[in-house]
Amino acid sequence: GAVVSQHPSRVICKSGTSVKIECRSLDFQATTMFWYRQFPKQSLMLMATSNEGSKATYEQGVEKDKFLINHASLTLSTLTVTSAHPEDSSFYICSARGTSGGGDEQFFGPGTRLTVL
Amino acid sequence: GQNIDQPTEMTATEGAIVQINCTYQTSGFNGLFWYQQHAGEAPTFLSYNVLDGLEEKGRFSSFLSRSKGYSYLLLKELQMKDSASYLCAVIDPDYKLSFGAGTTVTVRA
Repeated sequence: GAVVSQHPSRVICKSGTSVKIECRSLDFQATTMFWYRQFPKQSLMLMATSNEGSKATYEQGVEKDKFLINHASLTLSTLTVTSAHPEDSSFYICSARGTSGGGDEQFFGPGTRLTVL
Repeated sequence: GQNIDQPTEMTATEGAIVQINCTYQTSGFNGLFWYQQHAGEAPTFLSYNVLDGLEEKGRFSSFLSRSKGYSYLLLKELQMKDSASYLCAVIDPDYKLSFGAGTTVTVRA
């Protein structure tokens, strides 16, 4: 099956710093990547949709200047949490949708646990 | 908007059957997914229904009725490793997934 990786798996940072999370599709080309956030004991909430070579589309309530998304190639999307604060501590998960076959299935990365002190 | 409802928790004994219901009201529908998620991990794909009816895959089956906005996931011959959260998710024509809050299933010996 299709594999999506995320890096780092865990990150702890100080308040006010920026953190970059990478999402890679390892064995397929992803035309679209999605970024989700999951707080403890809650479900996944879509933050933004990222298409290769174009600007990301953000969901209502998500600050685009705080959560910078870059989808520079068909295998890589990055999410940068700028000026992180403790309330940004969460589990960030990306998913990718391929260019061929697979129907509407999205393949999820393993997630990145962000803790802001 | 999307409104997806599923029970918060369910408990069952090893070897038993559990059915997790999901009802949805969405502005666009292109299919319904079920995912399994263990604590601290990303969701893993279980099933996808786009047409009405039952899809069976080993111990897991999923049913969809589009006219009723209803789906269920059936877990048979429960094993301890099946203890997890089960997420119902609807995909819209833009391929965006909207998730329910998840049902935590606890399997007891």
